[in-house]
Amino acid sequence: GQNIDQPTEMTATEGAIVQINCTYQTSGFNGLFWYQQHAGEAPTFLSYNVLDGLEEKGRFSSFLSRSKGYSYLLLKELQMKDSASYLCAAMDSNYQLIWGAGTKLIIKP
Amino acid sequence: GAVVSQHPSWVICKSGTSVKIECRSLDFQATTMFWYRQFPKQSLMLMATSNEGSKATYEQGVEKDKFLINHASLTLSTLTVTSAHPEDSSFYICSARGLAGNTIYFGEGSWLTVV
Repeated sequence: GQNIDQPTEMTATEGAIVQINCTYQTSGFNGLFWYQQHAGEAPTFLSYNVLDGLEEKGRFSSFLSRSKGYSYLLLKELQMKDSASYLCAAMDSNYQLIWGAGTKLIIKP
Repeated sequence: GAVVSQHPSWVICKSGTSVKIECRSLDFQATTMFWYRQFPKQSLMLMATSNEGSKATYEQGVEKDKFLINHASLTLSTLTVTSAHPEDSSFYICSARGLAGNTIYFGEGSWLTVV
């Protein structure tokens, strides 16, 4: 079957670095997405990886290993506004998104 | 960048009435649009996938006669909640995939409250 696993909740300190892991199993693979969702709002696109390696975009970076079915989202210089849920989603061979349950990130001063 | 607009953002309706939510892709053609429902503190739940010009594909457990989806053009899909009941109160979100296929953008979401 198709499955996405990510931690339910993480806590980090303002100014620090946090890594949110995601493992996936899909029927075929057309890329791995990360979205940020603040409470009461729709998800916003953060990153898309389809090739192995690290993609850096400002304070956020995303890594993919296709052979391991593994991705992570790295957030640097954490700010209080980064408190949100982070959703990992893998696109299968039919271009359907398979969603993880989301990781709630709590930032403490 | 690509923008998906969803309207209305908030709607309150009486039990038994119908409500229509629109999802528009503003600067790209969306071959496929997805409709999600999200209850507070829960994950996104895919309701249906709609391809332009064809019938929507509904996920198991989603009543197609209650949640009517129309995708009449490459820039517009609508979700109509028919005979709404309080248990239908939720956050409804659409997303759209363009012709390139590999990026999906979300609308702002619509809060539906049925009283």
